[in-house]
Amino acid sequence: QSALTQPASVSGSPGQSITISCSGTSSDVGGGSYVSWYQQHPGKAPRLLIYDVTKRPSGVSNRFSGSKSGNTASLTISGLQAEDEADYFCCSYVGSSTFNYVFGTGTKVTVL
Amino acid sequence: QVQLVESGGGVVQPGGSLRLSCAASGFTFSSYGMHWVRQAPGKGLEWVSFIHYDGSNTYYADSVKGRFTISRDNSKDTLYLQMNSLRPEDTAVYYCAKRPSSASYSFDPWGQGALVTVSS
Repeated sequence: QSALTQPASVSGSPGQSITISCSGTSSDVGGGSYVSWYQQHPGKAPRLLIYDVTKRPSGVSNRFSGSKSGNTASLTISGLQAEDEADYFCCSYVGSSTFNYVFGTGTKVTVL
Repeated sequence: QVQLVESGGGVVQPGGSLRLSCAASGFTFSSYGMHWVRQAPGKGLEWVSFIHYDGSNTYYADSVKGRFTISRDNSKDTLYLQMNSLRPEDTAVYYCAKRPSSASYSFDPWGQGALVTVSS
C-alpha cells in the first residue's frame, strides 16, 4: 500500500484560508468514508482534527474542515493563525479484504 | 482526562528485541481497541498494529508481520508491543493511540511516544 500524496508544503498569511490535498486511489480514499486528518507540532504527538472525512471532534476549532471528491480528500484551514503552523497528515482506512491504514506523506504549513 | 503513557523505548542492536508498554488512564480501557503507530525520524506516520478491546483479534502492517506482537492486559490497563528481530528501519518514535469507538477508523488521542533506536 503506497502512502497517500500530499503537497510537501503550503503557506499562507494570517487570516487567509489554505487547503491541503490528499490523493489516493479507489482502494483507500475513494473507497470509503474513513479519511482522518492530524496536526503535529514539532516534538509533539499528532492530534486528531477531522474524522470520517468531514466530522470534527469536540474541542477542535471550526476553522478546520474536511471534504472529499473522488480519490482526493482535502483539509481547509480558514482564518489562518500563527498556532496553525505545524505538519498535517491525512490517513485512510483500507478495509474490505484487509485491515490496514495508510497515511499521507505530510504537509508542512507555514504561516507567513 | 484520557491519558496514554508509553515506556520501554531505548537503543537495541539489529536482531534484538524490545517490549513497549502503554499505560492508559481516564477511560474504561477494556472497552476500546488500541493501535500502535510509528514515525521514523523526520518522516511520516506509519500504522503498525491494532488489537480489539478484548484481545480477540489483532492486525499488523506487512512491514512488521511475524516480528512484532501486540497484546494487552485489561486488568492492568496496559497495552504492549513485543518487537523481535529488530532492523535499523524499525528506528522510530512509537505512539500508542486509542480507537475512539467500535465504528471509528481514526486515532484519538495519542500518547507522547517512545523512541526506539536500532543500531550497532
